[in-house]
Amino acid sequence: EVHLVESGGGLVQPGGSLRLSCAASGFSFSDHYMNWVRQAPGKGLEWVGRSRNRANSYITEYAASVKGRFTVSRDVSKNSLYLQMSNLKTEDTAVYYCTRETVVLDYWGQGTLVTVSS
Amino acid sequence: SSVLTQPPSVSVAPGKTASITCGGDNIRSKSVHWFQQRPGQAPVLVIEHDTDRPSGIPERFSGSKSGDTATLTISRVEAGDEADYYCQVWGTTSDHPGWVFGGGTKLTVL
Repeated sequence: EVHLVESGGGLVQPGGSLRLSCAASGFSFSDHYMNWVRQAPGKGLEWVGRSRNRANSYITEYAASVKGRFTVSRDVSKNSLYLQMSNLKTEDTAVYYCTRETVVLDYWGQGTLVTVSS
Repeated sequence: SSVLTQPPSVSVAPGKTASITCGGDNIRSKSVHWFQQRPGQAPVLVIEHDTDRPSGIPERFSGSKSGDTATLTISRVEAGDEADYYCQVWGTTSDHPGWVFGGGTKLTVL
């Protein structure tokens, strides 16, 4: 069974950094694209970025709102996906979801809350 | 603002049919996917590639597309269907790279 478990959320000051982790299990991690999607409190879903699979050299892609500040990476030996966030802004406050992509975003974790506030 | 336009809310009585629309430029040439998000929970894929139902999703859920408008239809609505629903496509323009979501529609079961 596919499982995605996010961790690493918390309270951080504007301008600060935070790294989120997503532990994946139940499928071949290196063969799948992996995405981060976020949801600000009371708002809709927003795609953040993704890591392509091994066949596509784990190339990363980002939304314009986070490009240059966020970095998606993965450690295939640990079956883990990461989101390194820097220069955080109050508008980055959201629940961050890790999602598996098999042409569609077919499995989602339960999310981890990031709050950017002074 | 989202490049995919959904009505903010739809209300329906139990046992009736709910229709949620999703409009956007050139949707006709893209695969549209639909997600259900119950309060406090992660989104769940309910329709993929315009019309396909993933394993485990009730037959009451169906998808269609006509021109640049996709529609999620829920037949014989139940109280448990009350949730937010989002449409999604892969954006290919320089302004909207990556996955693009509609603004979401809150389905209220009266």
